[in-house]
Amino acid sequence: DAGVIQSPRHEVTEMGQEVTLRCKLISGHNSLFWYRQTMMRGLELLIYFNNNVPIDDSGMPEDRFSAKMPNASFSTLKIQPSEPRDSAVYFCASSLNSEETQYFGPGTRLLVL
Amino acid sequence: EDQVTQSPEALRLQEGESSSLNCSYTVSGLRGLFWYRQDPGKGPEFLFTLYSAGEEKEKERLKATLTKKESFLHITAPKPEDSATYLCAVRNTGFQKLVFGTGTRLLVSP
Repeated sequence: DAGVIQSPRHEVTEMGQEVTLRCKLISGHNSLFWYRQTMMRGLELLIYFNNNVPIDDSGMPEDRFSAKMPNASFSTLKIQPSEPRDSAVYFCASSLNSEETQYFGPGTRLLVL
Repeated sequence: EDQVTQSPEALRLQEGESSSLNCSYTVSGLRGLFWYRQDPGKGPEFLFTLYSAGEEKEKERLKATLTKKESFLHITAPKPEDSATYLCAVRNTGFQKLVFGTGTRLLVSP
């Protein structure tokens, strides 16, 4: 079975540019979680969705960040404009429902110059 | 606020040298404690979920235990392929999100 799929795997961009990260959920899962991982702060939840509806976005750092689920199997995380402090590894995870085990994708390593 | 503290930050073992990793937590009402393994450049891989004090789960050389304040991940006779970062996370009864610790980096030398 295919796991969570993320693209791109690596992104290098310049400050001020728009960045879009993509995630495909495991088939049949209806909860989607976006995390950010840095050396200083570890793994932090940014936002999560149940059945395409955003439930908790309290971890989104600021208005420059936005996330959507245009359909039940796909999500995007957009940063506009990007800043050097956004450099991190971004993971998405999916679960059968919000109470079940979360399965992580391989991550997108973002570097903002 | 829910908190998870893992110790030690890093641990170096010889192959076959058993040890334990610690995860201390404070949570308003525990609705699951999770252990994940993370290899460099990869996403966290699920290992175990524990729900109540006294519960234990095993998988190959790993055994996870849970008390009301902490969890241990025991590694018996580790092999070099057990080298990874081990992450602990908790979920409380009021929220659906996981709060992660910063992990323990384990290196097992042959």
